[in-house]
Amino acid sequence: SQKIEQNSEALNIQEGKTATLTCNYTNYSPAYLQWYRQDPGRGPVFLLLIRENEKEKRKERLKVTFDTTLKQSLFHITASQPADSATYLCALGGSARQLTFGSGTQLTVLP
Amino acid sequence: EAGVTQFPSHSVIEKGQTVTLRCDPISGHDNLYWYRRVMGKEIKFLLHFVKESKQDESGMPNNRFLAERTGGTYSTLKVQPAELEDSGVYFCASSHARNYGYTFGSGTRLTVV
Repeated sequence: SQKIEQNSEALNIQEGKTATLTCNYTNYSPAYLQWYRQDPGRGPVFLLLIRENEKEKRKERLKVTFDTTLKQSLFHITASQPADSATYLCALGGSARQLTFGSGTQLTVLP
Repeated sequence: EAGVTQFPSHSVIEKGQTVTLRCDPISGHDNLYWYRRVMGKEIKFLLHFVKESKQDESGMPNNRFLAERTGGTYSTLKVQPAELEDSGVYFCASSHARNYGYTFGSGTRLTVV
């Protein structure tokens, strides 16, 4: 069955550094991959979508890569700030498949 | 534009009772989804509406769950009768198209005691 793994449940980094979050998947060929941010007591907030034919996508301090050979996506936050502290979710989707979420990585940016 | 609104934000009911959750999507979004997160698990898909039609309800756990979308606008999710394992956070989301980012509501936290 399909499986999505996000690196370590929790990641702590120092303010100003680049945070790198990993999303690996198996038994799945997604047409696109999305990244969401979730704060406690709130619903996920959409950040970026990258399609299977795209290698990289950027939005302000965010960068996402998608390697369909490695079956992996990397999510980078450059110049991280304490306000970036949240849980980040990757989600895979396709034309015939509904969006499937990973369990998330809790990021804490230390001042 | 207004976001996705869910009501109630919290609900505590006894086992065997009925609960109805409501979702108001973003105006003009034909696609409406229900997802659920139970304790310690990933957010899981329940069902997908396109306008008023159920496009995919493969994630619905059993026939105690009934979803409707009146006139292609707001949607309700009824659980009848509720069981303890139904406890969790129920999220509604809407999107302009299938391969666009989803806008989620804040969720309804359902506790069945």
